[in-house]
Amino acid sequence: DAGVIQSPRHEVTEMGQEVTLRCKPISGHDYLFWYRQTMMRGLELLIYFNNNVPIDDSGMPEDRFSAKMPNASFSTLKIQPSEPRDSAVYFCASSANRGSEAFFGQGTRLTVV
Amino acid sequence: GENVEQHPSTLSVQEGDSAVIKCTYSDSASNYFPWYKQELGKGPQLIIDIRSNVGEKKDQRIAVTLNKTAKHFSLHITETQPEDSAVYFCAARVRGSQGNLIFGKGTKLSVKP
Repeated sequence: DAGVIQSPRHEVTEMGQEVTLRCKPISGHDYLFWYRQTMMRGLELLIYFNNNVPIDDSGMPEDRFSAKMPNASFSTLKIQPSEPRDSAVYFCASSANRGSEAFFGQGTRLTVV
Repeated sequence: GENVEQHPSTLSVQEGDSAVIKCTYSDSASNYFPWYKQELGKGPQLIIDIRSNVGEKKDQRIAVTLNKTAKHFSLHITETQPEDSAVYFCAARVRGSQGNLIFGKGTKLSVKP
């Protein structure tokens, strides 16, 4: 398996634009997590899914952020409208089950200017 | 909710010396404690983990110790090498949770040749 695949690797956008980040989890993994990483706050859990169902979205900063998982092999994190303070590295991770190791993707570095 | 504190935030050692990174957690119900290594431009990668039913685990030059009473756990790297230079994150998972990890803020380890 190629691991967790995220796209794009880098995204630069203007304030107010919509941004969509994509993630393909490892095949067969039931859990998918979206994290945001910044220097100030470290790794923050935004939302996670179990069997494509959102379980906990309490980490989503505000209504501008939304995440979907239409099937077991694909998830998106959308920011609309984007703001400069959204600039960060966004990671997707997946795990086989509740107690197993979480595998991270390479991340998407988002810059909002 | 769970809170994980990690220190130091930066650590510089000479090649061949040992490095120790410490973390504390707040929720006594936490039962899984992984350590991740993140190299520049990459996602975090699991290097070792420990569950609450053991006090120590070792894998070659890396070891982790857990003190449940004091609610702290530590990463020990012996005979450090320049390729150990990276950011290290500790994390904790609460028993009964759906699988989400709470991360420490990270420690940037620099190993000088």
